[in-house]
Formats: sequence, C-alpha cells, structure tokens
Amino acid sequence: RKEVEQDPGPFNVPEGATVAFNCTYSNSASQSFFWYRQDCRKEPKLLMSVYSSGNEDGRFTAQLNRASQYISLLIRDSKLSDSATYLCVVNRGANNLFFGTGTRLTVIP
Amino acid sequence: EAGVVQSPRYKIIEKKQPVAFWCNPISGHNTLYWYLQNLGQGPELLIRYENEEAVDDSQLPKDRFSAERLKGVDSTLKIQPAELGDSAVYLCASSLARVAYNEQFFGPGTRLTVL
Repeated sequence: RKEVEQDPGPFNVPEGATVAFNCTYSNSASQSFFWYRQDCRKEPKLLMSVYSSGNEDGRFTAQLNRASQYISLLIRDSKLSDSATYLCVVNRGANNLFFGTGTRLTVIP
Repeated sequence: EAGVVQSPRYKIIEKKQPVAFWCNPISGHNTLYWYLQNLGQGPELLIRYENEEAVDDSQLPKDRFSAERLKGVDSTLKIQPAELGDSAVYLCASSLARVAYNEQFFGPGTRLTVL
C-alpha cells in the first residue's frame, strides 16, 4: 500500500467554484501534514500545513482527521491562477516526507 | 534571498553514459535532499544529508547512483551508467534542521532525458 494516496484527477472546474481534494495516509505514526502546490514544469512549493483543528488561509481550508488518516483541502471561489497540481505530503518524522501523486486542477474561465 | 540552485536545468544523454547534477542549497540550510520525480508522480526521496553526512540513502540505487556533499554545502548526484528508465526530473531541496519540521525549499530541478 502506498504511503500517501490521492485521486490524480484531473479536476476541471469553472471559475468561482468550490473544489475539494482528499488524500489518505497509511502510517498512523505520521507526525505532520502539508499541502504543496506544483505548477506545470515548476518545483513544488509549500501551500499550507494541515492541523487537526483545521486551518484556513484565505480561500484555502485544510483539515486533518487522524482517526481516519485522512487529509483534505478545500478551495473556495476558484481562480484561474489556482490551476496547478496539489500534492498531499506526510511527514513521518525527522523531515522524512512522503508525497502523494498529486491532484491536477484546471480552473476554466 | 537566493533559492536552491540546480544545474543543469536540462540534460539529454544516451543510455550507458554518465551524468552529474549539481545543487547549491539555501545559505544556512544544513539539510539537503535529492528527490526523483517521474511524470504524473510525486517526488520520491533518493538521499538526505545532514551537513556532510548521508543520514538516509535507503532509496538510492547504489549500483549506479552516487552522491556527495563535500563541506556540507553543495551536493552532486551522479548516475553511471544511465538507463532509459532514469529519465525524470531530479529535484534538490534544502531545509534548516532535521529536528521538528522545517519547510523544504525545492530547486527548479534537472530534467534528464536518456535516449
């Protein structure tokens, strides 16, 4: 079983739509969780950390459910500039990161 | 502040040839990572350095891949000989410390094509 599993998409949504991505992780001892964003032919960049209490950054909301080993990312009011691949990332400790395959999002005018 | 620098950005070689990639991390970052990213996949760790020590090289195919980080700053990743299946993007990342999580900053990557 893969360490981190995500639906690769693609997700094609109209501007202004709300879209949600989910991922699951296999190791219950995983310590911290993140969403990274990767634009086409660019390097991954940290989008936000994910906490059990949930955290919000503008139009982006991330949530962690430790009991279900499930992580989510919600994007409200999608913009064309949100088009990218969103990578679910799990830290098993000591900066030992495991990346999902990524979910590709295209926001359509 | 300068980000992680990698060179070359692109490399095309024939199979069985050697190839080397270079990485210069963000100044002051003592942890350096080499990742492999295949098309449609997330990055996969090849090797992690704490200063000049390789602390995790369990995923590095040691029969053909080697890496070094002399003086705990720049790093080089080498493949000899390259195979068709090595075509991928090789990403270098750096972070401040191993204890607790510190954000990993990625370089632009080297896109390798093996013909």
